[in-house]
Amino acid sequence: GESVGLHLPTLSVQEGDNSIINCAYSNSASDYFIWYKQESGKGPQFIIDIRSNMDKRQGQRVTVLLNKTVKHLSLQIAATQPGDSAVYFCAETVKGAQKLVFGQGTRLTINP
Amino acid sequence: NAGVMQNPRHLVRRRGQEARLRCSPMKGHSHVYWYRQLPEEGLKFMVYLQKENIIDESGMPKERFSAEFPKEGPSILRIQQVVRGDSAAYFCASSPWVLDTIYFGEGSWLTVV
Repeated sequence: GESVGLHLPTLSVQEGDNSIINCAYSNSASDYFIWYKQESGKGPQFIIDIRSNMDKRQGQRVTVLLNKTVKHLSLQIAATQPGDSAVYFCAETVKGAQKLVFGQGTRLTINP
Repeated sequence: NAGVMQNPRHLVRRRGQEARLRCSPMKGHSHVYWYRQLPEEGLKFMVYLQKENIIDESGMPKERFSAEFPKEGPSILRIQQVVRGDSAAYFCASSPWVLDTIYFGEGSWLTVV
């Protein structure tokens, strides 16, 4: 859904562990979902996407899961590295539109 | 293949001045988007353009803001008579086709003093 609030949720994990970042989307008409990574002072960087006709998609060290029944999206990052520290946003597009609706974002911190 | 190029990266304007932000999409991309981001928040859609056409401006404030994507040259986001509340990061993005992957630039940080 729309981003609200001034304080991002934070997730801290140990280097080498797996991390799971969750996102609840609001619009059941959304048919395309994207995860972006944003480092401080930089633009969002595309990580992985998934369309509504799929429930799982894997990339290099990342997996996105889509549960349309409960309108939930998750990003799994395997064997986290210090460079994975960033804010992660999920985004959805509504069918027929060409604009992204961003979620609140989660700040991922990797502890050495 | 260069990414989405935005300039200036940082811009300081006094209240009442005009701000012009420029965006050159990735090579071969004809769809351009502008988003605004406030600190600690997600990006908010402003406008979607194709060459010489505004397709969706539902996120643009009704006054002072305008955008264009001319046949030649970069896309321009123009903010007239800036106010402190306009201080934000403005991101441009582009895609080759409708409903294709959207790639973002590094942003332009506007500070209104």
